[in-house]
Amino acid sequence: RKEVEQDPGPFNVPEGATVAFNCTYSNSASQSFFWYRQDCRKEPKLLMSVYSSGNEDGRFTAQLNRASQYISLLIRDSKLSDSATYLCVVRGGFQKLVFGTGTRLLVSP
Amino acid sequence: DTEVTQTPKHLVMGMTNKKSLKCEQHMGHRAMYWYKQKAKKPPELMFVYSYEKLSINESVPSRFSPECPNSSLLNLHLHALQPEDSALYLCASSQVRMGLGKNIQYFGAGTRLSVL
Repeated sequence: RKEVEQDPGPFNVPEGATVAFNCTYSNSASQSFFWYRQDCRKEPKLLMSVYSSGNEDGRFTAQLNRASQYISLLIRDSKLSDSATYLCVVRGGFQKLVFGTGTRLLVSP
Repeated sequence: DTEVTQTPKHLVMGMTNKKSLKCEQHMGHRAMYWYKQKAKKPPELMFVYSYEKLSINESVPSRFSPECPNSSLLNLHLHALQPEDSALYLCASSQVRMGLGKNIQYFGAGTRLSVL
């Protein structure tokens, strides 16, 4: 079993749609969780950290379920510019990040 | 300012060449990282430096040799690479302190390496 698993997609949605991605992780001792966004041929950029209580940043909401060991990302009112690969990232040890394979999102007009 | 600068942006080298990738940050971060990313795959950790000392080597072949000359600079020396080493090489930096929000890694734009 992979340490961090994501549905690779692609998710094809129209502008204005709400889309949700899930991610599961295998190490129950993991403490830090992140969503990164990566555009084609660019570097990963932090989208948001994921906190136990859940957190929201504008159109983006992240949730953490420790009991089930999954993390979610909800994007509301999708924009064309949201098209990218979304990487679920878990801190697997001191300073070591474990990346999921990424979920590709395509938002169409 | 969360900028990590990598040079060169693109590099083409032969299997007998020696080249170096450079990474620089001025955020006061004392942890720096090298990752390798192949197309349509997530980044794979290669090396971690903490306080300018190598703390993690993910069993990377010796043809890759990292160096951290000071707290702002990280180099990756390349020698006798193979065509399968062609990839995007990403540098990242972070604070060393643990705790919520303290370990966020910031990535440079990467060096796209082609080995012929």
